[in-house]
Amino acid sequence: QVQLVQSGAEVKKPGASVKVSCKASGYTFTNYAMHWVRQAPGQRLEWMGWINPGNYNTKYSQKFQGRVTITRDTSASTAYLELSGLRSEDTAVYYCARDPGTLLRGVIIGPDAFDIWGQGTMVTVSS
Amino acid sequence: EIVMTQSPATLSVSPGERATLSCRASQSISNNLAWYQQKPGQAPRLLIYAASTRATGIPARFSGSGSGTDFTLTISSLQSEDFAVYYCQQYINWPPLTFGGGTKVEIK
Repeated sequence: QVQLVQSGAEVKKPGASVKVSCKASGYTFTNYAMHWVRQAPGQRLEWMGWINPGNYNTKYSQKFQGRVTITRDTSASTAYLELSGLRSEDTAVYYCARDPGTLLRGVIIGPDAFDIWGQGTMVTVSS
Repeated sequence: EIVMTQSPATLSVSPGERATLSCRASQSISNNLAWYQQKPGQAPRLLIYAASTRATGIPARFSGSGSGTDFTLTISSLQSEDFAVYYCQQYINWPPLTFGGGTKVEIK
């Protein structure tokens, strides 16, 4: 079945970096975009960025520009989120989410709704 | 950035009753709106996309309506498994994609 399986919980010190993985299975990885969304305790969902695994196109939220990098390994059907310069406010659950995309002649040109989500990865930033 | 505002923040409903949740966008998003359900300790689940289309496997008691800036999610007869937090999201004007603050549906 279609699923996204994320890496395990992380505890990091302020100033460090974290890299979270999201392994896709049950579908063709390059045919769908992948987003990263985080949720701090008791807070709303916050979009961080996306990648189109087919052409490596990425977009990021201005809020995280310069600190976030989203990559993919198509041979492993895995997307990655790396966040640097961690601070206590980055403590959150981080989710990957699949997106079939808005298509033009079969090419993803923009986002659509997120139809499959990973289970989430808790990242705790504490000294 | 489009701001999504949901109301009410908390909705107390008895099982079997109807629940009506609202979502407003700060500017027109046509029908580029999704609704998600999130239960404690779980990832969000897609319920509705394109404002009114149910996602695969979603029961018919969930319905969405609206266009432009004002949207509604209706749960026609609440079941015990429907008590959760519901988020709306716009996906036309980006980056960033934005979510509402959520409506918690609790048992009355």
